[in-house]
Amino acid sequence: GEDVEQSLFLSVREGDSSVINCTYTDSSSTYLYWYKQEPGAGLQLLTYIFSNMDMKQDQRLTVLLNKKDKHLSLRIADTQTGDSAIYFCAERTGNTGKLIFGQGTTLQVKP
Amino acid sequence: DAGVIQSPRHEVTEMGQEVTLRCKPISGHDYLFWYRQTMMRGLELLIYFNNNVPIDDSGMPEDRFSAKMPNASFSTLKIQPSEPRDSAVYFCASSLRLAGPYEQYFGPGTRLTVT
Repeated sequence: GEDVEQSLFLSVREGDSSVINCTYTDSSSTYLYWYKQEPGAGLQLLTYIFSNMDMKQDQRLTVLLNKKDKHLSLRIADTQTGDSAIYFCAERTGNTGKLIFGQGTTLQVKP
Repeated sequence: DAGVIQSPRHEVTEMGQEVTLRCKPISGHDYLFWYRQTMMRGLELLIYFNNNVPIDDSGMPEDRFSAKMPNASFSTLKIQPSEPRDSAVYFCASSLRLAGPYEQYFGPGTRLTVT
């Protein structure tokens, strides 16, 4: 069945790069997403990548997709304390409305 | 636009009581989603609607849960009777379409505590 897995916690120092990893099982995923959740708030879309791409860059964010290994990563360059949040990986299959979310990775940024 | 609006933001109730959570999607969005977030199970899709019609309710945990969307600007998620294991944060999200890399816009959530 569909499953998305992430490591639960990552701690980095301010100014370093952060890399959050995600694996998924459904090879027919069409889009893969990264959402950010700040304390007490809902999820906010950060970026997405289409399954026929292997990289997407958006300012400090770089998304890498290895479709063969079903591995997705989010790199945040020059991580700031404001980046501290929970980051969710999600996959979407076909044209259904369903997104399958990972458990979320808590990113802690130390000053 | 004000974004997705949910009410109440916090709800504390006793076991056995009826709970109604409310959601107003972003105007013009055709899709509405209800999610539940817990530490144990993460973020789960409960049900979603397209043009006010329920499309997939396979995530609704049991008959105690029901969701309605009487019009394009309002949806409710009802739990009757509530149980302590229903304690969670419930999110509503809406989306303009499904084609392409559609974005689901999330509301701030309702934190439900059942004692």
